[in-house]
Amino acid sequence: QKEVEQNSGPLSVPEGAIASLNCTYSDRGSQSFFWYRQYSGKSPELIMFIYSNGDKEDGRFTAQLNKASQYVSLLIRDSQPSDSATYLCAVNEAGSGNTPLVFGKGTRLSVIA
Amino acid sequence: GAVVSQHPSRVICKSGTSVKIECRSLDFQATTMFWYRQFPKQSLMLMATSNEGSKATYEQGVEKDKFLINHASLTLSTLTVTSAHPEDSSFYICSARPGQGDSPLHFGNGTRLTVT
Repeated sequence: QKEVEQNSGPLSVPEGAIASLNCTYSDRGSQSFFWYRQYSGKSPELIMFIYSNGDKEDGRFTAQLNKASQYVSLLIRDSQPSDSATYLCAVNEAGSGNTPLVFGKGTRLSVIA
Repeated sequence: GAVVSQHPSRVICKSGTSVKIECRSLDFQATTMFWYRQFPKQSLMLMATSNEGSKATYEQGVEKDKFLINHASLTLSTLTVTSAHPEDSSFYICSARPGQGDSPLHFGNGTRLTVT
């Protein structure tokens, strides 16, 4: 069974610090990886996606992928209280076609002002 | 772009009644839509894959006769919870993608269902 594992947290960081969120996945054939942010009572919103090994930066966010270790991470620089949310790691099922995403349980981030 | 609209956002119904949830792709065509369910403090769990013009594919443990899915057009999928019970109370979220299979999924705003 395909699994995506995340530390549930809460992860507490002071305002302005770097928040580091981690994720591992079981399906070695997975090809695409996503980070979503979910505020309480709301649906997930896409933060970043990454397909290739290495780092991908977008503003304050950096996604890191290591397919050999089956590991994905998200770094949030200069964390703000508004970043406080649950961060969901999602992995696309391996294979062709329009397939669903498999989600981790999410890591709850709390940025303390 | 890639907007998915879901309606209603919140519904309260009595046990034994049926509830229909609509999911529309507003600016793209979606031959496939995915329905997820999320219980409090849990992850998103895929319920079913909705395919335009054909039968939906349900995940193991999801009753197809209870959760009826109709994908009648390239922009609309509906989920009907039949004979709802309190244990069906959950957050139901639809999603779709405008591009290829490895592009991100875009989510509707979700429907909070409460069965009393």
